[in-house]
Amino acid sequence: EVQLVQSGAEVKEPGESLRISCKGSGYSFTAYWISWVRQMPGKGLEWMGRIDPSDSYTNYSPSFQGHVTISADKSISTAYLQWSSLRASDSAMYYCARQRFFCSSTRCLGADFDYWGQGTLVTVSS
Amino acid sequence: QSALTQPPSLSGSPGQSITISCTATSSDVGSFSRVSWYQQPPGTAPKLMIYEVSNRPSGVPDRFSGSKSGNTASLTISGLQAEDEADYYCSSYTSSSTSVFGTGTKVTVL
Repeated sequence: EVQLVQSGAEVKEPGESLRISCKGSGYSFTAYWISWVRQMPGKGLEWMGRIDPSDSYTNYSPSFQGHVTISADKSISTAYLQWSSLRASDSAMYYCARQRFFCSSTRCLGADFDYWGQGTLVTVSS
Repeated sequence: QSALTQPPSLSGSPGQSITISCTATSSDVGSFSRVSWYQQPPGTAPKLMIYEVSNRPSGVPDRFSGSKSGNTASLTISGLQAEDEADYYCSSYTSSSTSVFGTGTKVTVL
């Protein structure tokens, strides 16, 4: 059974650092991308970025580039989302999702998100 | 500002059919060949309902169907049921090799 299990809820103060995790099981971790998705309270889904765990290549949404870092440790089938300096506006639910992809002769593009983690609630408040 | 626009809300009575549209507002969105749809009931993680425009994953009822025409993709729920009440999102890749979600549609079963 494919599962993505995320780390627990976090409460942090502005300016602190944070790393949340997403552990995959039940499939070949390096055969799919992992994407991170933000959902602010009462709002829609926002794609943040993705990583290819086979080579750790990342791609970010311009809205999140430079503010978060996505990484992965394929030896333990785990992907990470981290912040070096949190803001109050980072308070949200964060989901990881397994993403299928397809490749042409020149590049690979992301397709659907077929399995999702349960979400990690991040609260940033002084 | 999402490049995929959906109606904010739709409603229908049990047994009726509703169609949610997803319109690409930017040429940055790809050919829509890989558009997918997600269902998110309140307080839960999203769930894949349709992939590659019209394909249903195992376990998704055949009441859910997808299609596309030009720069608009659509999700139709036939024979609406109370359990279908949720937020629905479309998604696609973009020409800059990123992904994007639609603005979301809240479906209410009357």
